Amino acid sequence: QSALTQPASVSGSPGQSITISCTGTSSDVGGYNYVSWYQQHPGKAPKLMIYEVTNRPSGVSNRFSGTKSGNTASLTISGLQAEDEADYYCSSYTSSSTPYVFGTGTKVTVL
Amino acid sequence: QVQLQESGPGLVKPSQTLSLTCTVSGGSISSGSYYWSWIRQPAGKGLEWIGRIYTSGSTNYNPSLKSRVTISVDTSKNQFSLKLSSVTAADTAVYYCAREATTGTHVDFWGQGTLVTVSS
Repeated sequence: QSALTQPASVSGSPGQSITISCTGTSSDVGGYNYVSWYQQHPGKAPKLMIYEVTNRPSGVSNRFSGTKSGNTASLTISGLQAEDEADYYCSSYTSSSTPYVFGTGTKVTVL
Repeated sequence: QVQLQESGPGLVKPSQTLSLTCTVSGGSISSGSYYWSWIRQPAGKGLEWIGRIYTSGSTNYNPSLKSRVTISVDTSKNQFSLKLSSVTAADTAVYYCAREATTGTHVDFWGQGTLVTVSS
């Protein structure tokens, strides 16, 4: 099962909006509305930010939003803040041999 | 709120078996319809799903590791465990235990992770 494809890095200035893409296939991202996004600060465990494409868990800022079109899902961070600097991983349910697959990860840098 | 904590040796010799335990607090491991999972992350790399055990005791494993992995649960101790046999340096990673949502499609709670190094 191949990992979902994410850009290695995305950067933006404080207050700006950035978007991270996550590209899969019709067997995962395109086939199900089960895309999730995780934020991981250095040395810390990942934290769930978005699930089922658009849903935010309780406590997650509404500056984080998710969308999906075809085989590509996206995470948008609005009003970028210094604390948003972290690695972000997407994940999708898949009809393959594992229940879900992770993305390659994107490092977000706040300039 | 559910909390998970990994425990186990931080150093394992090549060809031996890696054994980790995850202690769950803030809720019973046998209540609800959750999956209890193990995920690992080599240094500087991405996340790899290892496998999971359902509340009923049924298991799913990553095919790439299936021949070496066993996940079990001890409801009396509110714990679940991972055993990975015949380890090599490629198994060196931070190992996370986690709870998957009832849909089994995402992780909603993670342990803090524990580094396991395979070295003689």
